Amino acid sequence: QKEVEQDPGPLSVPEGAIVSLNCTYSNSAFQYFMWYRQYSRKGPELLMYTYSSGNKEDGRFTAQVDKSSKYISLFIRDSQPSDSATYLCAMNAGGTSYGKLTFGQGTILTVHP
Amino acid sequence: NAGVTQTPKFRVLKTGQSMTLLCAQDMNHEYMYWYRQDPGMGLRLIHYSVGEGTTAKGEVPDGYNVSRLKKQNFLLGLESAAPSQTSVYFCASSEPLDSYSTDTQYFGPGTRLTVL
Repeated sequence: QKEVEQDPGPLSVPEGAIVSLNCTYSNSAFQYFMWYRQYSRKGPELLMYTYSSGNKEDGRFTAQVDKSSKYISLFIRDSQPSDSATYLCAMNAGGTSYGKLTFGQGTILTVHP
Repeated sequence: NAGVTQTPKFRVLKTGQSMTLLCAQDMNHEYMYWYRQDPGMGLRLIHYSVGEGTTAKGEVPDGYNVSRLKKQNFLLGLESAAPSQTSVYFCASSEPLDSYSTDTQYFGPGTRLTVL
């Protein structure tokens, strides 16, 4: 079993829809939770970063972490065609594992006009 | 400010051949990483470096070697390429923060490697 599980999709939604992307994990030591966005044939770029449990909002994007359930989510409101990309969750335990990220498989999202 | 650059962008090798992938960053970051990305597998850490002259193994180090002779460069070597090493390789760099937070990794554009 992978340490981080992410539904690879693909997910196709109409413009303006609310998108929910999710990851589950098994390592209770994870404290830092990130979402990366990767456009086709490009490198990943950091989208959101959350420490421990809770919510974080940035414009149309909201990241949620529920450590008790080992479950994290990324919500995209009013989705746009420019949001079409692969979304990767990533996690880190901090401390001596500093900098070593464990990634999910990535979810391919297409937002069609 | 170019960020993280990778050379080459594409490469085709025959089984048994060797090659070196070059990663360069101009952000003066201490940490550098090499990942491979395969369909359905996400990004997996091959090797990483926490400073000039240091290297350490990641999740999938077998068949690869690395060197960090200069702070701005991180080289990934394949001594005897195998078809299982066909993948997209990404380099990343980051600057360590305090022990209560984690760093942001900045990725290069990737190298697409095919081993026949």
